[in-house]
Amino acid sequence: EAGVAQSPRYKIIEKRQSVAFWCNPISGHATLYWYQQILGQGPKLLIQFQNNGVVDDSQLPKDRFSAERLKGVDSTLKIQPAKLEDSAVYLCASSLRQTFYEQYFGPGTRLTVT
Amino acid sequence: AQSVTQPDIHITVSEGASLELRCNYSYGATPYLFWYVQSPGQGLQLLLKYFSGDTLVQGIKGFEAEFKRSQSSFNLRKPSVHWSDAAEYFCAVGATGGGNKLTFGTGTQLKVEL
Repeated sequence: EAGVAQSPRYKIIEKRQSVAFWCNPISGHATLYWYQQILGQGPKLLIQFQNNGVVDDSQLPKDRFSAERLKGVDSTLKIQPAKLEDSAVYLCASSLRQTFYEQYFGPGTRLTVT
Repeated sequence: AQSVTQPDIHITVSEGASLELRCNYSYGATPYLFWYVQSPGQGLQLLLKYFSGDTLVQGIKGFEAEFKRSQSSFNLRKPSVHWSDAAEYFCAVGATGGGNKLTFGTGTQLKVEL
């Protein structure tokens, strides 16, 4: 069984530039999550999708962050414009359903904003 | 709102020694509790989870954890540590009414001395 795929693995951009991250969850997983993990901290949920609908985006900075999961499969997270404090690892996870099935995490994208 | 405290930022143990990583949670109802491990450059892998029932939970890689409601704790243990256990360990609490949302602690970095 293939795991959660993410790309790119690393990205370096200058502040005020835009960046996009891609995630392909495990086949058949209805729920998809994006987390932000700042160095020295635990992952923080940014947004959760159930199929192609948003379940929770309460901690997503909506003035600069956006995410979509148009066909209920893969997802894109975008930052526009980036700030220095956005430097972090962005983790994508998926689970079979919403009700506490195990979340499977991808390897993450390490973003550095200079 | 739920929260998790991992009081030890770094722990060093000798290979073959026993290990206990501490986790305290705050949540108004019966929590769902998880331990994840993260190796460098990797995503998070679930070690074990507690939903209900037996308060001593067995996980992968020889790890176990004990849920103690009176102490609001869910400490992770392993009787004999291997060098390959060196990684960062995260405790997380799930909101039972919140669609599988996890709140993570800040993590404990484990170093294993040979």
